[in-house]
Amino acid sequence: RKEVEQDPGPFNVPEGATVAFNCTYSNSASQSFFWYRQDCRKEPKLLMSVYSSGNEDGRFTAQLNRASQYISLLIRDSKLSDSATYLCVVNPYSSASKIIFGSGTRLSIRP
Amino acid sequence: DGGITQSPKYLFRKEGQNVTLSCEQNLNHDAMYWYRQDPGQGLRLIYYSQIVNDFQKGDIAEGYSVSREKKESFPLTVTSAQKNPTAFYLCASSGLASNSYNEQFFGPGTRLTVL
Repeated sequence: RKEVEQDPGPFNVPEGATVAFNCTYSNSASQSFFWYRQDCRKEPKLLMSVYSSGNEDGRFTAQLNRASQYISLLIRDSKLSDSATYLCVVNPYSSASKIIFGSGTRLSIRP
Repeated sequence: DGGITQSPKYLFRKEGQNVTLSCEQNLNHDAMYWYRQDPGQGLRLIYYSQIVNDFQKGDIAEGYSVSREKKESFPLTVTSAQKNPTAFYLCASSGLASNSYNEQFFGPGTRLTVL
């Protein structure tokens, strides 16, 4: 089993739709969790950290389910500019030594 | 402006040559990282460094070498021993090494092509 697994997609949804991705992780002792966004041929950029209580940033909502060992990202009222690959990132260690990247979920928003 | 810079943006290398990729950060971050990304693939960790003059191998260190002589700089050398070096190379940094909640920030990357 991979340490971090994501559905590779692609998810192809119309503008204005709500879309959700899940990401599962294997190490139950994982400490911190993030979602990154990566545009084609660009570097990953932090979208949001994921907190135990769940957190929201505008149209984006991230949630953590420790019991089932997954995190989720919900995008509401999707825009054309949301088209990108979304990377799930998990830190299974107690320091910032290494973090584990998922392979990413590709999202394409159509007009 | 604070950030991470990588150079060059594009690099072409002949087989058998060593090349060095530059990574500099002015964020005063302790930890720095090198990743490799192949088309349609996730990021794979090559080397990381939590403190000056110390670094550890990641998952795919063979054929690569690094140094960390200054806090701001973490250059990566791709040696001729690396069998398939054509890839997108990303450098990242993060804050206090003891804090697992620190996110990583990435440079713009270097695309290496072996001719």
